[in-house]
Amino acid sequence: GEDVEQSLFLSVREGDSSVINCTYTDSSSTYLYWYKQEPGAGLQLLTYIFSNMDMKQDQRLTVLLNKKDKHLSLRIADTQTGDSAIYFCAERSEGGKLIFGQGTELSVKP
Amino acid sequence: DVKVTQSSRYLVKRTGEKVFLECVQDMDHENMFWYRQDPGLGLRLIYFSYDVKMKEKGDIPEGYSVSREKKERFSLILESASTNQTSMYLCASSLHRDNQPQHFGDGTRLSIL
Repeated sequence: GEDVEQSLFLSVREGDSSVINCTYTDSSSTYLYWYKQEPGAGLQLLTYIFSNMDMKQDQRLTVLLNKKDKHLSLRIADTQTGDSAIYFCAERSEGGKLIFGQGTELSVKP
Repeated sequence: DVKVTQSSRYLVKRTGEKVFLECVQDMDHENMFWYRQDPGLGLRLIYFSYDVKMKEKGDIPEGYSVSREKKERFSLILESASTNQTSMYLCASSLHRDNQPQHFGDGTRLSIL
């Protein structure tokens, strides 16, 4: 069945770049999403990429998609302490359902 | 901005009680979803709905039911709450069009004692 995998933890220093990786299994996915969850809150949509794109940039965020390897990454430039959160990768499945990864907890040290 | 509102942020109930979690969205979205979130497991889909009075089972529907009597409101019901239903519950909504993302509420942290 469909599956999305992420590593559970990432720790970086303030000012460095963060790269959060994700792999997925459904090659027919049309859209892939990145969500951010701050403590005690719901999920906030950060960005998404259509499957016919390789890259999408939005200010400090860069999404890279390698469709051949079914690999998605989110790069956060100049990471700040306010970026500390859990980041979820999700692929769009049939009927608008989303399949989520387990989430990567990003810890930013000053 | 899309607003998805869940009626309670925190809820404590007892084993065997019938529990209602309410979710309302204000953007006329066709699709609505209920997830539960547990550490290390990510989000798991419980039920979803594409329209009023429609409902579809997600990946883990056992022990839950839903109601969608109005387009803007989607209720999750725990028929007889059990301790393994202690979790964070998240509601989401989206337009039915292909590229539309899901928008989430702030979640309800439910504890069953």
